[in-house]
Amino acid sequence: KQEVTQIPAALSVPEGENLVLNCSFTDSAIYNLQWFRQDPGKGLTSLLLIQSSQREQTSGRLNASLDKSSGRSTLYIAASQPGDSATYLCAAHNYGQNFVFGPGTRLSVLP
Amino acid sequence: DTGVSQDPRHKITKRGQNVTFRCDPISEHNRLYWYRQTLGQGPEFLTYFQNEAQLEKSRLLSDRFSAERPKGSFSTLEIQRTEQGDSAMYLCASSSGMGYTEAFFGQGTRLTVV
Repeated sequence: KQEVTQIPAALSVPEGENLVLNCSFTDSAIYNLQWFRQDPGKGLTSLLLIQSSQREQTSGRLNASLDKSSGRSTLYIAASQPGDSATYLCAAHNYGQNFVFGPGTRLSVLP
Repeated sequence: DTGVSQDPRHKITKRGQNVTFRCDPISEHNRLYWYRQTLGQGPEFLTYFQNEAQLEKSRLLSDRFSAERPKGSFSTLEIQRTEQGDSAMYLCASSSGMGYTEAFFGQGTRLTVV
């Protein structure tokens, strides 16, 4: 059974810092891994999707990497801004199964 | 393409009442998922459909829960005899192809059982 964890659980940084969010999964037989952002009381917004054959994906100030062998993915946010404050969730998608989510990292970027 | 749409956005109901939520996926997305999220937790899987076929149900989906996707378009999630423990955000997502593509979520339905 796939299990996904995320560290840290919460993070508070001053504006402008580069930061790394971590996601770990127990079953490396994933098809893809997707990162989401969630604002309080809202649904999930897709940020990046990494297929199992890829090692990283980039979108603007965001870069996500995937290491299947070690069961890890990282989300790198460059030059953080107050508008980046949200909860960041990763979800692992195994073959023929549903998405399994981690508990999320709650990010606060202070102006 | 207006994204995944969920209705209602908020629902307050008395314990013991039945409630039904609706999800309209992105047009031509053939896979549709339902998840439940409680405060401070990641979403938990409930069920998913490939077109009109319900392919998997979580053990979280007790006999009081039922989901349908007639004609492979919109989906409904019904909770019968609601309990206070059913209070949560109910999220719907859709994806194209065989499901191994990017999933897009709706804004969710916040259920409060009083």
